[in-house]
Amino acid sequence: EAQVTQNPRYLITVTGKKLTVTCSQNMNHEYMSWYRQDPGLGLRQIYYSMNVEVTDKGDVPEGYKVSRKEKRNFPLILESPSPNQTSLYFCASSLDRTEAFFGQGTRLTVV
Amino acid sequence: QKEVEQNSGPLSVPEGAIASLNCTYSDRGSQSFFWYRQYSGKSPELIMSIYSNGDKEDGRFTAQLNKASQYVSLLIRDSQPSDSATYLCADWMDSSYKLIFGSGTRLLVRP
Repeated sequence: EAQVTQNPRYLITVTGKKLTVTCSQNMNHEYMSWYRQDPGLGLRQIYYSMNVEVTDKGDVPEGYKVSRKEKRNFPLILESPSPNQTSLYFCASSLDRTEAFFGQGTRLTVV
Repeated sequence: QKEVEQNSGPLSVPEGAIASLNCTYSDRGSQSFFWYRQYSGKSPELIMSIYSNGDKEDGRFTAQLNKASQYVSLLIRDSQPSDSATYLCADWMDSSYKLIFGSGTRLLVRP
């Protein structure tokens, strides 16, 4: 089954404790991206990647890191999480400029 | 001006009516547009994609694209209570190679 898999689905952590949210897709898509969704603000792009070793900043990259060492994986790293990063996070993948497929989401709470 | 704009709603329609959702975009070079449906706390789900001017129909859904006026719309015929959700418009930005989402329109279908 074609899918985008994120883990974990829910995460509560403390300020400053590094964490990684994983994202994996099995559709051989070149394009992958991370979004955060907050009430009233819609989906905002954090980082995106056009292919292996090619990443670029989205609209809200501060406080986040990404890497794309393999085509299927695109982890999101929070080196020192802060409460303002409490949000619902989505990973998505697509072929070049076609419809994007989303993971199930990760609800992150930073206390 | 936001890159992709939608009225936040809520748009309330009676069951069986036609719901009309609209979206405007700023990048004249954009070629690919998508409508997603999102239930609260869930990931966005693709409804329609449209790439050329005119109408595209799929079951109860019709997407309309007008590149000259830079707007894209979604019509939902015979609206059902299960259509109650937030509808997101998305646009592949030609200028920046990013998939950008509007903030979404909340649709309520009254039984």
